[in-house]
Amino acid sequence: QKEVEQNSGPLSVPEGAIASLNCTYSDRGSQSFFWYRQYSGKSPELIMSIYSNGDKEDGRFTAQLNKASQYVSLLIRDSQPSDSATYLCAVMASSASKIIFGSGTRLSIRP
Amino acid sequence: GAVVSQHPSRVICKSGTSVKIECRSLDFQATTMFWYRQFPKQSLMLMATSNEGSKATYEQGVEKDKFLINHASLTLSTLTVTSAHPEDSSFYICSARASGVGNIQYFGAGTRLSVL
Repeated sequence: QKEVEQNSGPLSVPEGAIASLNCTYSDRGSQSFFWYRQYSGKSPELIMSIYSNGDKEDGRFTAQLNKASQYVSLLIRDSQPSDSATYLCAVMASSASKIIFGSGTRLSIRP
Repeated sequence: GAVVSQHPSRVICKSGTSVKIECRSLDFQATTMFWYRQFPKQSLMLMATSNEGSKATYEQGVEKDKFLINHASLTLSTLTVTSAHPEDSSFYICSARASGVGNIQYFGAGTRLSVL
């Protein structure tokens, strides 16, 4: 079992709709969770961080965390073509030594 | 967010030469820096973790004598690819983490290395 699992996609969503990206993790002691966006040929950029159960909203982005289910998700409302990218879920190991990245979900917003 | 500067952004070199990549945290002190490699259409692969003033910790399968990492100060880490070969051609990305800021890692813009 991978430490951080994501569906590789591609996930195709019409412009203006809600894009839902999901991630599960195996380390039950993890405390810090992140979503990064990576455009092709570029380095990852941080979109959201979340540390406690529930929802955290920032503009069009909402991160959701459920530690009991070891599940974290990212919702993108009013999807725009510029949101087309690979989204990386990242989880801080319980040892806090490093962040473990998922392999990423490729999101495509179709006009 | 915090700024991490990485350069050069692109390097083209001949096989057998060494290449040094610099990573600087511009507005925070990075207690820990990370070096990643990413091949086309593949996920990030952690190469090594470096803490200021101590030896880097390399991931399994990464040759420490080939990929030399120096983290001499709280704002600068360098990765030197020694005797580069075409199979070392990749996208190298550094990342820096400040202590006590939610464990967030900020990434440099990456260095695309092409070895001829």
